[in-house]
Amino acid sequence: GIQVEQSPPDLILQEGANSTLRCNFSDSVNNLQWFHQNPWGQLINLFYIPSGTKQNGRLSATTVATERYSLLYISSSQTTDSGVYFCAVPFNQAGTALIFGKGTTLSVSS
Amino acid sequence: KAGVTQTPRYLIKTRGQQVTLSCSPISGHRSVSWYQQTPGQGLQFLFEYFSETQRNKGNFPGRFSGRQFSNSRSEMNVSTLELGDSALYLCASISGTGTRAFFGQGTRLTVV
Repeated sequence: GIQVEQSPPDLILQEGANSTLRCNFSDSVNNLQWFHQNPWGQLINLFYIPSGTKQNGRLSATTVATERYSLLYISSSQTTDSGVYFCAVPFNQAGTALIFGKGTTLSVSS
Repeated sequence: KAGVTQTPRYLIKTRGQQVTLSCSPISGHRSVSWYQQTPGQGLQFLFEYFSETQRNKGNFPGRFSGRQFSNSRSEMNVSTLELGDSALYLCASISGTGTRAFFGQGTRLTVV
């Protein structure tokens, strides 16, 4: 099955710093999603980005489908950005199930 | 629009018991997927339902089962609980194939 790898596994930042999280996937996909898991465990959908670039406030994401990777940029990080960031791609083309990477744990300190 | 509702939020069960978890998707969404999250294995896909039919299944033993009702609500059942079944169980609601997934707050199951 498709493999999803995220890097780095852990990231420690001071408030105000910028960061880039990477997601590599082993096969072509028709969509890719980025999630943030908050301290209470809920997964928040940040981006649905099969290709191209999208921006939402201080966050932006770029997917280069032909090269099988996606990047999540966080600018001017805040302590509330702390948590685990996951990327996910379809389990197969027949449904909506997702395969997740192992995540990047981000810690932002003030 | 109400979000995805999972009940109960927390559950403690004894080894050998069975448990049923519930997920109510966003109104109008017909697809529900279930995931198990543990510190060791991360987020793993359990199964996916669309219009009351199981469309995909992950690599879990037969003790894990699920179903979807005509109103799109879904339940998952785990029989003969093992300590290793302790996990956060998450449910995702999706409107259609290839669209965004929205997750509930999860059910945290502890097996003692």
